[in-house]
Amino acid sequence: AQKITQTQPGMFVQEKEAVTLDCTYDTSDPSYGLFWYKQPSSGEMIFLIYQGSYDQQNATEGRYSLNFQKARKSANLVISASQLGDSAMYFCAMRGMDMGRRALTFGSGTRLQVQP
Amino acid sequence: GAVVSQHPSWVICKSGTSVKIECRSLDFQATTMFWYRQFPKQSLMLMATSNEGSKATYEQGVEKDKFLINHASLTLSTLTVTSAHPEDSSFYICSARVTGRAFYGYTFGSGTRLTVV
Repeated sequence: AQKITQTQPGMFVQEKEAVTLDCTYDTSDPSYGLFWYKQPSSGEMIFLIYQGSYDQQNATEGRYSLNFQKARKSANLVISASQLGDSAMYFCAMRGMDMGRRALTFGSGTRLQVQP
Repeated sequence: GAVVSQHPSWVICKSGTSVKIECRSLDFQATTMFWYRQFPKQSLMLMATSNEGSKATYEQGVEKDKFLINHASLTLSTLTVTSAHPEDSSFYICSARVTGRAFYGYTFGSGTRLTVV
């Protein structure tokens, strides 16, 4: 079984500052993928970043980077230079080894509010 | 690329009626579709997995006779909420498996907000 834990129900950050959203995971699969999604109030799921369990380097996508610590089973999202439009729910998710049919398992989410 | 069109985006129905939600893959073939339900301020919970041409696999606790899933073609999967009740009011979102690097395997519809009155 897979489990994703996000311990921060809500976070505040000042505009232009960096913020880290925490995510820990648990799985028995030797190969897995970790995702971060942004969900604005409209409800759509916006893909932000992906980290494979065998990737040697931490993933980066523009202002988003993933601090992947495999031994600690953590995959924290770092958003640099926060913008007002970053205010949304953020979900960490995991995919197991059976990529053909396995659905994503989601954490409980973190609501980020960027203050001017 | 890899766009899933989900309709309707919102629907209000009377208790006891049925509602159909459609997810269409516009520019790819969706052999597998996942259906999620999200209650306010909560996470996405997987309801069922549908594969084209076969019966859907439901998660534990999800009533298969209440949430009918049809995946008859490679471009269309539907979720029908039968005899809807107020407790079925929720946000329903589909997700299709895709190949290619852009999404690393998954693309989502825009969601349907169902309100049962």
